[in-house]
Formats: sequence, structure tokens, C-alpha cells
Amino acid sequence: QQQVKQSPQSLIVQKGGISIINCAYENTAFDYFPWYQQFPGKGPALLIAIRPDVSEKKEGRFTISFNKSAKQFSLHIMDSQPGDSATYFCPSTGNQFYFGTGTSLTVIP
Amino acid sequence: GAVVSQHPSWVICKSGTSVKIECRSLDFQATTMFWYRQFPKQSLMLMATSNEGSKATYEQGVEKDKFLINHASLTLSTLTVTSAHPEDSSFYICSALDRGRNGANVLTFGAGSRLTVL
Repeated sequence: QQQVKQSPQSLIVQKGGISIINCAYENTAFDYFPWYQQFPGKGPALLIAIRPDVSEKKEGRFTISFNKSAKQFSLHIMDSQPGDSATYFCPSTGNQFYFGTGTSLTVIP
Repeated sequence: GAVVSQHPSWVICKSGTSVKIECRSLDFQATTMFWYRQFPKQSLMLMATSNEGSKATYEQGVEKDKFLINHASLTLSTLTVTSAHPEDSSFYICSALDRGRNGANVLTFGAGSRLTVL
């Protein structure tokens, strides 16, 4: 089971700002890389996903990017909104069933 | 889209009793389901992998006699916490493996079940 370094553990952003969350790996032998979003008291839900042969994918305000040389996946949330306040998880291994420590995002109005 | 229904959403029980949590895939067949446990402000801890028609595979450190998992059909998996004690109080979440966007397998999660053992 490879290790993942998810950072930061918590993040506070002003409304309208950019939120950036990173997950770094020992190796990036994934065939599919998802990010999950979890609101308090709820189960996680798939937010956005990317295949490693694609360097970037954008869906609305959310962009996932893959830096092969840095062995790092990043989630960017543009124009962050209070409704984006949640915990975000990346997988900790290539099979996506294990998760990193999570990043708690708080967007201040 | 794929939907996973989990019941009950919350349950309070007395110490020593058993509690069953159900996880159903509503619009797809789930050969594989997963059970997670989550403590406040912490990550999702995989407890076990449930495969339809076979015994569940438990993660290291998870007591299989304490957390009984049954996956008797392609749409239903159950987690029974036997002889529950206060330390079993937690948020339990199930998920099912579904061929989702772009043909890739994705996890669809239930809403979670909060167990409080008095």
C-alpha cells in the first residue's frame, strides 16, 4: 500500500478565492484518479476524476491536474464559495479504496 | 446516476446489543461493496470488502466476529455490529463499486449511519 501525502490538512479561504489541495505519491501508477467531497454528517461523493494520461480536467469551477514529474495530483477550486466547505479526499493507493487523511476546507463569506 | 441507500441513518442502542446496518444499490448491481468507519474529523478507514456470494475480506485489525458482513444479493450488503460497546460508536459508511463515468469503476457511497452505543 503506497503512501500518500495529502496537503494541507485544513484550509481556510475567502469567498471568491482559489482553493488548492495536493496529493503526492511515491509512484503514480493509477488507471483512474478520483477526488471525493464529503459534507459533515454525509457520505462522500465523487467530485471529479482524471486518468493519468490526461494532464488536466476541468468541470465548472473544479480542476484536477496531474504533475507527472512531481508525482502529484492537485485539485483547484476557483471562485470558492461557502457551499464548497467540506472535506476532500484523494485515494491513498492505486485501487482507490483506501483514502488519504483528507483536507478540511472552510470558505469564509 | 448510481444511488446507494443506507439505513438506518442513525441508531442508538444499549451496550451489549447488536445493530444491523443495511446498504442497498438502488439502480445497479453491486458485486463488490465496501464498509468504512469514520471517527470525527478523521479519514475513512476501510473495514472490509464485501463480495456477493462469498465471505467478506477484512482489513488488518478489524474483528470479523464483531463486525459481521453479509452480501447475499447483488443489491444488498449488511453490517452487523455484535455485542456493541461504547467504543463501537462511530459513523459507518458503505459504498458500492459501479462502472461510472468514462467507463471507469467508481465508488458510490451511502449517506452513512451514525451509531451511538450507550
